[in-house]
Amino acid sequence: DTEVTQTPKHLVMGMTNKKSLKCEQHMGHRAMYWYKQKAKKPPELMFVYSYEKLSINESVPSRFSPECPNSSLLNLHLHALQPEDSALYLCASSQGHGSPLHFGNGTRLTVT
Amino acid sequence: QKEVEQNSGPLSVPEGAIASLNCTYSDRGSQSFFWYRQYSGKSPELIMFIYSNGDKEDGRFTAQLNKASQYVSLLIRDSQPSDSATYLCAPENSGGYQKVTFGIGTKLQVIP
Repeated sequence: DTEVTQTPKHLVMGMTNKKSLKCEQHMGHRAMYWYKQKAKKPPELMFVYSYEKLSINESVPSRFSPECPNSSLLNLHLHALQPEDSALYLCASSQGHGSPLHFGNGTRLTVT
Repeated sequence: QKEVEQNSGPLSVPEGAIASLNCTYSDRGSQSFFWYRQYSGKSPELIMFIYSNGDKEDGRFTAQLNKASQYVSLLIRDSQPSDSATYLCAPENSGGYQKVTFGIGTKLQVIP
């Protein structure tokens, strides 16, 4: 069982909808990540939070809005997405610099 | 030059053979290197990490690092059909921002 929990597992949304992806970890990790993965491509970094502060934004469009309410939770708010945003969204956590990432099972997002 | 380069494969090996997966990276300051295994439709799973030049062994897996050549490899001994997956090389970028970039991954097929 993964120690990083993502909900929901699957999400279908229209282009005018607002939805949120959620991620939770209880390993005491201080860094949390959002990655996007399209079919047959590697995970692509979107955001990094370190000690609950946004440290990396890889020029992600503003229709994706991350939030880190506390050290255990990470959200990704979605608004006005495009069909090309359909992908597997992966959350990960780590102890910090130099430590490996631990991934959740991902949320499979389909934008119609 | 891509940040992380891997041969996408597929790499086909017979059951019981040694599979050799290679990766080169461009960030000369990278200090931490991770190998992930990803089954189709699943999230990446950490299988090895290495920080120092030389070899690191864990069961059937050996990671090899040569920082001077900016080269990291993964050997899988006694390959099993269950090892059939995509193997992602992931160095952590230098700069202290906990950015981990993935290679495209090598698809390994172990033939029974």
